[in-house]
Amino acid sequence: DAGVIQSPRHEVTEMGQEVTLRCKPISGHNSLFWYRQTMMRGLELLIYFNNNVPIDDSGMPEDRFSAKMPNASFSTLKIQPSEPRDSAVYFCASSPLSGGELFFGEGSRLTVL
Amino acid sequence: AQKVTQAQTEISVVEKEDVTLDCVYETRDTTYYLFWYKQPPSGELVFLIRRNSFDEQNEISGRYSWNFQKSTSSFNFTITASQVVDSAVYFCALSGTEPFSGNTGKLIFGQGTTLQVKP
Repeated sequence: DAGVIQSPRHEVTEMGQEVTLRCKPISGHNSLFWYRQTMMRGLELLIYFNNNVPIDDSGMPEDRFSAKMPNASFSTLKIQPSEPRDSAVYFCASSPLSGGELFFGEGSRLTVL
Repeated sequence: AQKVTQAQTEISVVEKEDVTLDCVYETRDTTYYLFWYKQPPSGELVFLIRRNSFDEQNEISGRYSWNFQKSTSSFNFTITASQVVDSAVYFCALSGTEPFSGNTGKLIFGQGTTLQVKP
């Protein structure tokens, strides 16, 4: 079975450009999470969805960040405009049930120059 | 507010030594879940174990064991006879459930403990 699929795996862009990260959760999972990992701040939860509905976006750093989940099989995390401090690994994860384990994608490594 | 504290930033041991990774959590939820994840140098996050707040039984899986104590809000992880392949960052995490809906609540991670096992 396919796991959580993220794209792109690596992205290098220049400051001010728009960045879109994509995630396909495991089929049948009803919760989806976006995390950001940096050396300084560790693993931070940005936003999570239950049944395609955003439940908690308090971790989204600022208005430059937005996330959508138009259907159960696709989510995007967009940064516009990007800044060097957004450089990080962004993980998407999905979960099948309440309190269940999260299945993580391989991450998208973003570098903003 | 929920919080997970992994006080040990880095641990270095020699192969075959036993090592315990500490995890202390804070939550006001009566129902919650605790997790351990491993992140090897390749970067992926690998699930190791999940416990719910009503099950304080210790668990053993091969060389891995976990000690859950609600009285001290701790969920410690022990690796027996460590091996070089155990070298990784280990994360403890906590989640609750959404009130009323019962859906998955947010999973909060500790800062991680970097374990280095030397040959």
